[in-house]
Amino acid sequence: QKEVEQDPGPLSVPEGAIVSLNCTYSNSAFQYFMWYRQYSRKGPELLMYTYSSGNKEDGRFTAQVDKSSKYISLFIRDSQPSDSATYLCAMSAYGNKLVFGAGTILRVKS
Amino acid sequence: GAVVSQHPSWVICKSGTSVKIECRSLDFQATTMFWYRQFPKQSLMLMATSNEGSKATYEQGVEKDKFLINHASLTLSTLTVTSAHPEDSSFYICSARDLSQGYEQYFGPGTRLTVT
Repeated sequence: QKEVEQDPGPLSVPEGAIVSLNCTYSNSAFQYFMWYRQYSRKGPELLMYTYSSGNKEDGRFTAQVDKSSKYISLFIRDSQPSDSATYLCAMSAYGNKLVFGAGTILRVKS
Repeated sequence: GAVVSQHPSWVICKSGTSVKIECRSLDFQATTMFWYRQFPKQSLMLMATSNEGSKATYEQGVEKDKFLINHASLTLSTLTVTSAHPEDSSFYICSARDLSQGYEQYFGPGTRLTVT
């Protein structure tokens, strides 16, 4: 079993939809959680960084962490075609190296 | 803020030669820099971690004599692929972290290496 599980998709949604991306993890030592967006042939871009259970909002993005269930989510409101990319969840324990999910391919159709 | 650059963005070299990739943190001091490799349609694979002024720590299976990493300053790390072979062709991405600010990592735009 992988430490971090993420459905690779692809996930196709119409423009304007609310997108929900999820990861589950098995290591209870993970304390820091990140979501990255990666366009083809580009480096990952940090979208959200959280370290406590609960919600964190930034513009159209909301990150949710449930440590009791070992489950994290990223919600994208009013999705746009420009949001089409691969979304990677990543987490680390006490500042150690990041462990990545496989990445979910998102396609937003106009 | 938190911008990381890489140079070059794309390089082609002949088999047997060496190539150097630079990673710079432009607006913060990177106490730690990381080097990743990414194959098409796959997630990132960590190659090594380097702290400024210290020797890099390589992940299991990564040849330290082939992938030389130097982190001589708080804003610059270099990865040198020595005696490159076609199987070294890949997308190499660096990331940087300033522990005084938190544990998040900021990634560079990546370098595409093609070995002919």
